[in-house]
Amino acid sequence: KQEVTQIPAALSVPEGENLVLNCSFTDSAIYNLQWFRQDPGKGLTSLLLIQSSQREQTSGRLNASLDKSSGRSTLYIAASQPGDSATYLCAVRTGRRALTFGSGTRLQVQP
Amino acid sequence: NAGVMQNPRHLVRRRGQEARLRCSPMKGHSHVYWYRQLPEEGLKFMVYLQKENIIDESGMPKERFSAEFPKEGPSILRIQQVVRGDSAAYFCASSPESGGTNYGYTFGSGTRLTVV
Repeated sequence: KQEVTQIPAALSVPEGENLVLNCSFTDSAIYNLQWFRQDPGKGLTSLLLIQSSQREQTSGRLNASLDKSSGRSTLYIAASQPGDSATYLCAVRTGRRALTFGSGTRLQVQP
Repeated sequence: NAGVMQNPRHLVRRRGQEARLRCSPMKGHSHVYWYRQLPEEGLKFMVYLQKENIIDESGMPKERFSAEFPKEGPSILRIQQVVRGDSAAYFCASSPESGGTNYGYTFGSGTRLTVV
C-alpha cells in the first residue's frame, strides 16, 4: 500500500528566503508525481507534474525534483513571497489507481 | 475552457437527510475521481468512475455512499442519511479520455458539506 509523507508539516519563513519542501513515498513503482497548492477553504491548484522518467520540472520560481529509486521528491521555492503562503500537497500515482496524497506542508511566508 | 465544476460550493444538511454533490469534468475528460478531505487531514480517495462505469470504489464507505457518472450529465456523489462525521470537503478531479498515466489531474473547488 502506497504511503506518502511530507516534511515538515508546517514552516514559517521570512519573505525572500529560498526553501525546500520534502515528500517521500514507500512504493517506488509510480507513474508520476504531482505537487499541488491549496489555499484555505479552496480547491487544489496543480503546480508541477513529474513523470516517472523525469528527474525534475521547473515553473517560474518553483522547481520539483524526483528520485524514484529512493522514493523522494523535493519542491524548491526560490525567493519566497507572502503570496506563496498556502498548504503544499504532494501526490503520487501508482498504476491505474487514483492519486495518493501526503498530509501537506503548511507554509507561512512573513512579510 | 471551463475547469472542473463542482456544485454546490457549500451544502448544509440535517442529520438523516440526503446530500447530493455534483461534478462536471473538464471538456474532453471522461474520467472522474472523488476525494474527501476531513478537517485538518489530507485528501483520501473515494471512487474512480468512467462514463457509466465504476472502476474503483475501494475508498468508498460500504454504506450510505454511492456514486454515478451517467452517459449524459455530471457525476453525482450521493450520501444518504448523513451523520456529523460526514462533514468534510469533497473534491472531484478529472483526467483525459485516454486515462493515460502521462496526464495529471485537474481538481474542482470542492463542495463543503456541513451536517448539523
